[in-house]
Amino acid sequence: GAGVSQSPSNKVTEKGKDVELRCDPISGHTALYWYRQSLGQGLEFLIYFQGNSAPDKSGLPSDRFSAERTGGSVSTLTIQRTQQEDSAVYLCASSRQRQLAGGEQFFGPGTRLTVL
Amino acid sequence: QKEVEQNSGPLSVPEGAIASLNCTYSDRGSQSFFWYRQYSGKSPELIMFIYSNGDKEDGRFTAQLNKASQYVSLLIRDSQPSDSATYLCAVNLGGNNRLAFGKGNQVVVIP
Repeated sequence: GAGVSQSPSNKVTEKGKDVELRCDPISGHTALYWYRQSLGQGLEFLIYFQGNSAPDKSGLPSDRFSAERTGGSVSTLTIQRTQQEDSAVYLCASSRQRQLAGGEQFFGPGTRLTVL
Repeated sequence: QKEVEQNSGPLSVPEGAIASLNCTYSDRGSQSFFWYRQYSGKSPELIMFIYSNGDKEDGRFTAQLNKASQYVSLLIRDSQPSDSATYLCAVNLGGNNRLAFGKGNQVVVIP
């Protein structure tokens, strides 16, 4: 596709349930990032994948959050035992290899997660 | 100190005026600086990036970088109603391949 795609666009779940969010980056982009954005807030970094290197998980807020990237392309962010404070828009971005040192990230449309 | 700070509240400017946005960052080793625009309910889109001290112009947008003072600014000339959005400053942290984002500044251009 032409851009980063994410699914689902909206997800409503009950507290305590697990959710999976999917990101399909731009073809050929080796770097993939997950962020979350709460209402009126900036982007909070969650995790970063670069090629076959070990991911940078330094932004994951708790061990309930995990992510994987299969085959260097599609990524799945999993939130276990969701809590109401997990409600946010989860944004995925991708970029070319390190040439711009993390810059020029192209964002997907996001998944709006609501935990009841 | 937060990694990237954008402290100004919502900015209202009349159509045709200059909007000025400022951003400071904490890591002196940062090398790359970016401005993203985010319309309400939409995802961020890159509008400017700058790596060297000084000014960089692209159409009605000018980014200014001062590494000694650790700030980067964005000027929007001849502001249009379509410029009404939240502008996010992002900084590549030194030695790291990820961006740190500020909370953003909302700009409202009044016709």
